[in-house]
Amino acid sequence: DIVVTQSPDSLSVSLGETATINCKSSQSVLFASDNKHYLAWYQKKPGQPPKMLFYWASTRESGVPDRFSGSGSGTDFTLTISSLQAEDVAVYYCQQYRRAPFAFGPGTRLDIK
Amino acid sequence: VQLVESGGGLIQPGRSLTLSCTASGFTFANYSLSWVRQCPGQGLEWLGFVRATPSGGTTEYAASVKGRFTVSRDDSRNIAYLQMNSLRIDDTGVYYCTSATGDWGQGTLVSVSS
Repeated sequence: DIVVTQSPDSLSVSLGETATINCKSSQSVLFASDNKHYLAWYQKKPGQPPKMLFYWASTRESGVPDRFSGSGSGTDFTLTISSLQAEDVAVYYCQQYRRAPFAFGPGTRLDIK
Repeated sequence: VQLVESGGGLIQPGRSLTLSCTASGFTFANYSLSWVRQCPGQGLEWLGFVRATPSGGTTEYAASVKGRFTVSRDDSRNIAYLQMNSLRIDDTGVYYCTSATGDWGQGTLVSVSS
């Protein structure tokens, strides 16, 4: 099974600054036949369902502000949130969907410093 | 796209419960459906999924629930199911269905307690 880890567990960032969250998979999530990385990022707020931010590692879901960006390849991926706003306080998860079971990372809690 | 979970509630340990996920707004048969839960104080846990019918409609499960939970689909009614057997106290949580469209339901709460 592919194991997904995230770092840090939590971080505090000042308003207007940049937050960086890392995600690592134990095996490559690249599918050679379509050259896509099967990794997604989600934002989870209390009392709400998860909201997809990115799929294929870097394709932004419709409606997601462009201050959110997803990058990476192979086994190492990054979610970057620039110009941090109060509404970005949440837990962020990555998930691999290259091969079942489609494990989530343990999550990274983001709050305002 | 809309996904609506139902069937949650309070149930005793050892009993069975079936959750439903009713979908609308997309061609249901052509998309896989997953079930994900969040137990109190925990992160998101992928439980299992059923592939799109053109892809065989086969299922996969997390090791933690394999043999106890069963995912199925009824394309004629646009509903996916999660049958949960031998429920345990640590199965308590909010259960979500999510489709390969990237959409999620609002979740349904399952509380396992005597």
